[in-house]
Amino acid sequence: EAQVTQNPRYLITVTGKKLTVTCSQNMNHEYMSWYRQDPGLGLRQIYYSMNVEVTDKGDVPEGYKVSRKEKRNFPLILESPSPNQTSLYFCASSWTRTATGELFFGEGSRLTVL
Amino acid sequence: TQLLEQSPQFLSIQEGENLTVYCNSSSVFSSLQWYRQEPGEGPVLLVTVVTGGEVKKLKRLTFQFGDARKDSSLHITAAQPGDTGLYLCAGAPKAGSYQLTFGKGTKLSVIP
Repeated sequence: EAQVTQNPRYLITVTGKKLTVTCSQNMNHEYMSWYRQDPGLGLRQIYYSMNVEVTDKGDVPEGYKVSRKEKRNFPLILESPSPNQTSLYFCASSWTRTATGELFFGEGSRLTVL
Repeated sequence: TQLLEQSPQFLSIQEGENLTVYCNSSSVFSSLQWYRQEPGEGPVLLVTVVTGGEVKKLKRLTFQFGDARKDSSLHITAAQPGDTGLYLCAGAPKAGSYQLTFGKGTKLSVIP
């Protein structure tokens, strides 16, 4: 089954404790992206990747890191999480190298930082 | 940064009623997409419109892209409880964009 898989789906952590949210897609997609979704603010892009080893900042990259060492994986790293990073996070991928094709989203990772 | 404003923000209607959701901007978009998101899930693409004035139909859903490519609408005929969800519009400022601008969404509840 074609899908984007995120882990963990739910996580409660404390300020400053490094964490990684993994994202994997099995569709051989070129483009991958991370979003956060907050009430009243909608979906905002954190980082995106057009290809292996190629990443760039989205609209809200502060406090996050990403890497794209393999085509299928695009982990999101929070080096020192803070409460303002409490959010619902989505990973998405697309068969095009851009964001203008259909985006396939994961089921989301709800993160709470205390 | 280009903005997309969606209205209404919330909509609660009875089963069988018709409704229209709007997505507006002061900027021109190369293409515009509509997604539906159900609780606990990620958004799922409904349609992409790319030509000014374009109308696309998906069963009871009708999507229109404005002539000037600055706005779009989603019309649902005879709404059903299964239409309940968050409807998001997303625009690409130019062909080949690496970023989409998302509206904040319209939360639709269809009451049986």
